[in-house]
Amino acid sequence: DSGVTQTPKHLITATGQRVTLRCSPRSGDLSVYWYQQSLDQGLQFLIQYYNGEERAKGNILERFSAQQFPDLHSELNLSSLELGDSALYFCASTPSRGSLETQYFGPGTRLLVL
Amino acid sequence: DQQVKQNSPSLSVQEGRISILNCDYTNSMFDYFLWYKKYPAEGPTFLISISSIKDKNEDGRFTVFLNKSAKHLSLHIVPSQPGDSAVYFCAASAGTGNQFYFGTGTSLTVIP
Repeated sequence: DSGVTQTPKHLITATGQRVTLRCSPRSGDLSVYWYQQSLDQGLQFLIQYYNGEERAKGNILERFSAQQFPDLHSELNLSSLELGDSALYFCASTPSRGSLETQYFGPGTRLLVL
Repeated sequence: DQQVKQNSPSLSVQEGRISILNCDYTNSMFDYFLWYKKYPAEGPTFLISISSIKDKNEDGRFTVFLNKSAKHLSLHIVPSQPGDSAVYFCAASAGTGNQFYFGTGTSLTVIP
C-alpha cells in the first residue's frame, strides 16, 4: 500500500459526459501528479500540482482540468468525454517540490467511455 | 514524442536466470532515472533509481546500469523469480522539480 488513494476504482460513462477523479496523496506529501495510461501506452504525464498550485503541465487536453485543494487532495476533471479517453488514470505524490526522489502511485482509476 | 523508450514490449525468462530489461532515452538533460514495477490492477511501485553521477546502482537482486554516452539504461534481475513477473517501466527526469517521463513498459514473465 503506497498510501495514495484514488476513487473511484472503476468508472463507466458515455461519450460527451463529464467525470471527476479524486486522489488523496500520502500524508504530508505536497506534490500530486496525474498520469494517463492508455492501451499499449506508457504513462503519459498530464499535470502536476504542488501545495495547491499548478507546477507543470504535460500532455493534458483542454477538455481536462485539475486542481489541488487546501487539504492537498486533488481532482482531475474530464469533460466532453470521447472513446479515446478510456484509460487508466493514476495519481502519484512526492513529499517536496520534485527533488531527486521517487513518486508513490495510487492504484489508479479505470475509465471506460462507451 | 517519446523521450524514454522501451523497445521490448515483453520478455520471458526461466526462473533462476538473469532478466535484462532495456531502456533508451533521447534527452541528454535527463539526470535521474528510475525503474518501477507494476502488477495488474495496482499502481506502479518504485524499484530502484540511479543518478547520472553513477553508472551502476545495486539493491539486492536488482542492479541498474547507466550508459550516458549511449543514453541507455538497463535493469538486471538476478536470479529471476516467478514473483518478478510484472510490467517494468523506466522513467527519467531532468533536474529537480521537473516532470518524469515514462517508457511504455516491458512485460516480464518468469517461467518456473
